Amino acid sequence: KAGVTQTPRYLIKTRGQQVTLSCSPISGHRSVSWYQQTPGQGLQFLFEYFSETQRNKGNFPGRFSGRQFSNSRSEMNVSTLELGDSALYLCASSPSRTSGGARQETQYFGPGTRLLVL
Amino acid sequence: LAKTTQPISMDSYEGQEVNITCSHNNIATNDYITWYQQFPSQGPRFIIQGYKTKVTNEVASLFIPADRKSSTLSLPRVSLSDTAVYYCLVGPSGGYNKLIFGAGTRLAVHP
Repeated sequence: KAGVTQTPRYLIKTRGQQVTLSCSPISGHRSVSWYQQTPGQGLQFLFEYFSETQRNKGNFPGRFSGRQFSNSRSEMNVSTLELGDSALYLCASSPSRTSGGARQETQYFGPGTRLLVL
Repeated sequence: LAKTTQPISMDSYEGQEVNITCSHNNIATNDYITWYQQFPSQGPRFIIQGYKTKVTNEVASLFIPADRKSSTLSLPRVSLSDTAVYYCLVGPSGGYNKLIFGAGTRLAVHP
């Protein structure tokens, strides 16, 4: 099976612009999660989508949003970019055959999109 | 949410066994312990998961004492390619697919 793919891999934007990142999960996976990784804050959870609905949300401002399509592909959008949004944005997918589970599912991460805001 | 504490960094040499201990004093009854590995500029990769006692797979072993307040990831005979950051996570108290990462342990394997 192909792994999680993310596009683009690298992106340079300027302050005030907006950006859309894309994630294609592993075939058959229904849950897609997004994470932000910076040297200062480490890996932080942004949000998770399951069956086109946001199921979990982290502590990020409303400038960060996402959506999931019927084929489980997901996009995340950051509006009004700030210098501090420069980071590696990681997408992860998991099977999530039901809306809940007895254990924390294995997350399969993509290679990430490195965003630089100037 | 269960907070985890791990050493910031560790050094080892090729061929040695490496044990990384994680403390999680307020782990909840339904929490599992999961370890991920991350190489620079890549996404984390699942290594192993357990609930209690010992779990072993082809790459690592996970030891969990009866009180579950700590766990130890054991990497047998490390090689240079095991140089990475290792994260200990406890959940799903934060939400089933909401991984809460700590600072991790930066393992450096030397020739």
